[in-house]
Amino acid sequence: AQKITQTQPGMFVQEKEAVTLDCTYDTSDQSYGLFWYKQPSSGEMIFLIYQGSYDEQNATEGRYSLNFQKARKSANLVISASQLGDSAMYFCAMREGVDSSYKLIFGSGTRLLVRP
Amino acid sequence: NAGVTQTPKFRILKIGQSMTLQCTQDMNHNYMYWYRQDPGMGLKLIYYSVGAGITDKGEVPNGYNVSRSTTEDFPLRLELAAPSQTSVYFCASRKGRTGETQYFGPGTRLLVL
Repeated sequence: AQKITQTQPGMFVQEKEAVTLDCTYDTSDQSYGLFWYKQPSSGEMIFLIYQGSYDEQNATEGRYSLNFQKARKSANLVISASQLGDSAMYFCAMREGVDSSYKLIFGSGTRLLVRP
Repeated sequence: NAGVTQTPKFRILKIGQSMTLQCTQDMNHNYMYWYRQDPGMGLKLIYYSVGAGITDKGEVPNGYNVSRSTTEDFPLRLELAAPSQTSVYFCASRKGRTGETQYFGPGTRLLVL
């Protein structure tokens, strides 16, 4: 069965520093995709970044980048130059099923607190 | 576009009561999903739909029912509410393009006492 593991329940980072949030996954599929979402205290789910299993380059979106290591089955989120507004829960999720009708499997999340 | 809207925002139910959580999207998306998020946890899929008239179970469907009579609406029905159904419920939708994210509604917080 497919599974997403986030081993860091909580993390601190100093403002303006970079931080890496860990995500490992388990799947026997050759085609899969990995997503990261941010959930601030207000509760909404905000999409950050996506990496497909066949993408050769690591995905980047502004201050967010995804460190994709396929052989190690890891898809870590890197946030550069942390800001106070980055304090939130962060969820890694994996696409299950064919791309056109996929479902998402979520990890348990990492709570990030940015210190001023 | 309003995106994905959910009503109500918050509801308290007594054990054994029933209710319907409403979800509407105005993006003409084919796929719609219902998740629940228990405190301190990730989201778990309850039901999903690939189009009007077609629904299927997710990981945690027991105690819930869904229907999809239109493209826009995907209501979630709770029959005989139990304390274990206390959770935050998220509806999501997507068009069906490669690599596309799911677009989430703001959530409904449900408390069963």
